[in-house]
Amino acid sequence: QSVLTQPPSASGTPGQRVTISCSGSSSNIGSNTVHWYQQLPGTAPKLLIYNNNQRLSGVPDRISGSKSGTSASLAISGLQSEDEGDYFCAARDDSLNGCVFGGGTKLTVL
Amino acid sequence: QLHLQESGPGLVKPSETLSLTCTVSGGSIIDSSCYWGWIRQTPGKGLEWIGNIYYSGDTFYNPSLQSRVTISIDTSKDQFSLKLSSVTAADTAVYYCAREDNTWYGVYYFDYWGQGAQVTVSS
Repeated sequence: QSVLTQPPSASGTPGQRVTISCSGSSSNIGSNTVHWYQQLPGTAPKLLIYNNNQRLSGVPDRISGSKSGTSASLAISGLQSEDEGDYFCAARDDSLNGCVFGGGTKLTVL
Repeated sequence: QLHLQESGPGLVKPSETLSLTCTVSGGSIIDSSCYWGWIRQTPGKGLEWIGNIYYSGDTFYNPSLQSRVTISIDTSKDQFSLKLSSVTAADTAVYYCAREDNTWYGVYYFDYWGQGAQVTVSS
């Protein structure tokens, strides 16, 4: 069981907007920033969003992140087929003194 | 562009020690703004942080694995290594090495990852 909770799946049609939630606790999301990764089959996770809402260079502005309290969310607007993949949230956990991850959300573009 | 590459045996026998090395290229491992870490991924448990090491040698381990894990660093070779002892089938996973940025106080995120190394524990 992952420390951070994400829905196992999400889907949308091309052009739609989808959001992926990530729920944690006071020791992780509640007191630290959240980061989001995309993982394509057979590849390593790739950082998309760091520090709650900062896009890595090259990430389109139709991808955004936000955080409120002990939850965070990733929003993808203008959905494209290339957005298909697994998305993971992550945050530092003060009780662990290390990183914890969400279980991942598989995004399907219908 | 920083590049990380894992290397080591892909098959380890139960009760033996898993050993992996990560070679960093395109930059120096002596970097005060980051840590060097190991993360593993299984279909069942997802992504799990194993531990980190600072260029000075300071280490930080996941308490769930601490009794079996050793992470070391060789700054002369720009390499850091993972040893996981007394492995069982539950340690079968893809193991990633990664750089954890800490440029900003209190903000930590893994920005560069190796391609991953599949390690299977089986006799």
